[in-house]
Amino acid sequence: DAGITQSPRHKVTETGTPVTLRCHQTENHRYMYWYRQDPGHGLRLIHYSYGVKDTDKGEVSDGYSVSRSKTEDFLLTLESATSSQTSVYFCAISQGAPPRTGYTFGSGTRLTVV
Amino acid sequence: AQKVTQVQTEISVVEKEDVTLDCVYETRDTTYYLFWYKQPPSGELVFLIRRNSFDEQNEISGRYSWNFQKSTSSFNFTITASQVVDSAVYFCALSEASGNKLVFGAGTILRVKS
Repeated sequence: DAGITQSPRHKVTETGTPVTLRCHQTENHRYMYWYRQDPGHGLRLIHYSYGVKDTDKGEVSDGYSVSRSKTEDFLLTLESATSSQTSVYFCAISQGAPPRTGYTFGSGTRLTVV
Repeated sequence: AQKVTQVQTEISVVEKEDVTLDCVYETRDTTYYLFWYKQPPSGELVFLIRRNSFDEQNEISGRYSWNFQKSTSSFNFTITASQVVDSAVYFCALSEASGNKLVFGAGTILRVKS
């Protein structure tokens, strides 16, 4: 009954290769987010979506793109992975603005770029 | 712009000690939401509390308590009689009602020793 799942959970990829991470929700929430977590920085927002085909940049969006073709899926793509993109990536969902019910996070994807 | 500063990077205590994690925030909005999340060694993000800017009542939940003071822009978290299972990274976060983005502090690593 997770409500939000991320895939894959772990991935190792080579520098320069494209990588796509998937976030899937069953809650029908309007808002979806991608964060990355790095030591000393907490979680930083990469991109977010406020509806199908509606997305916007966060504070660390360079090198990343996103797509949301249906409510339940939010894809994060690294067009050409770099070692600086080695991180743990979290997806989150929110019912609306303001977040009366808070944010729900996925279990994270650990990405290593070698 | 919204900003969250977690004063302590790392705290070590001995079991049964009380410990306070300090969080200071910045925002220009009059309506905003403050959160605390726990990230245990397993890596998932566990929601602890959400507080809106109009509710300055302190809250207690078992061994956990939160002190929200708008005058000092602080939202501090206290664990009473700490336990080894409290060892985790704790994040304070802020969401402005006008923006619907959740901004995190860098986190405080809490180590509770037996």
